[in-house]
Amino acid sequence: SSELTQDPAVSVALGQTVRITCQGDSLRNYYASWYQQKPGQAPVLVIYAKNDRPSGIPDRFSGSSSGNTASLTITGAQAEDEADYYCNSRDSSGNQLSVFGGGTKLTVL
Amino acid sequence: QVQLVQSGAEVKKPGASVKVSCKASGYTFTRSYLHWVRQTPGQGLEWMGRINPSGDSTGYAQKFQGRVTMTRDTSTSTVYMELSSLRSEDTAVYYCARDLESGGSCYLDYWGQGTLVTVSS
Repeated sequence: SSELTQDPAVSVALGQTVRITCQGDSLRNYYASWYQQKPGQAPVLVIYAKNDRPSGIPDRFSGSSSGNTASLTITGAQAEDEADYYCNSRDSSGNQLSVFGGGTKLTVL
Repeated sequence: QVQLVQSGAEVKKPGASVKVSCKASGYTFTRSYLHWVRQTPGQGLEWMGRINPSGDSTGYAQKFQGRVTMTRDTSTSTVYMELSSLRSEDTAVYYCARDLESGGSCYLDYWGQGTLVTVSS
């Protein structure tokens, strides 16, 4: 089971703002990274480190963290943002280097 | 441009082994760790481990310790992931992915196209 916990599903109205959260003890010490995955495609890195975006990722995607919770915020959600979103961070249990959250299915209404 | 091209789909019987390759191009192969992540049907992402193409050091998730081996061939800029003692629960799409930072941040900025491994008798 994941050491990072995500809500299974979240919805947002087109053009509105949505926050997707990720909880875990390791987030007190390590940043989360966030991946977007659309059906049949490989994941895409959208946020990493404190709040960095790889080249080509729209600035409506942002990241933040507080305590044991990391958040991915999409400001002005677009239809093309409908996807699964996964957080990732170091594993605090010592069993392995890295772990993914269970994923959040984002629906844009 | 950075590309990771994986080998094709495999069908294996329970108890067998599978070896998936990932050929890197468009960057200096030895400067970035390469990770393996799998996704079982309809499920989430699962980190399996990583290899340092420069020094051949590896780190595996505890779940796969003893069953997974990651290797690399610097002459062809290719990494390999071999999983043994396959069972039906290993049916999944296996991805290789490049670490964004040379120090090994676990931020994965480029991914292969994925390789479907089906385990069935």
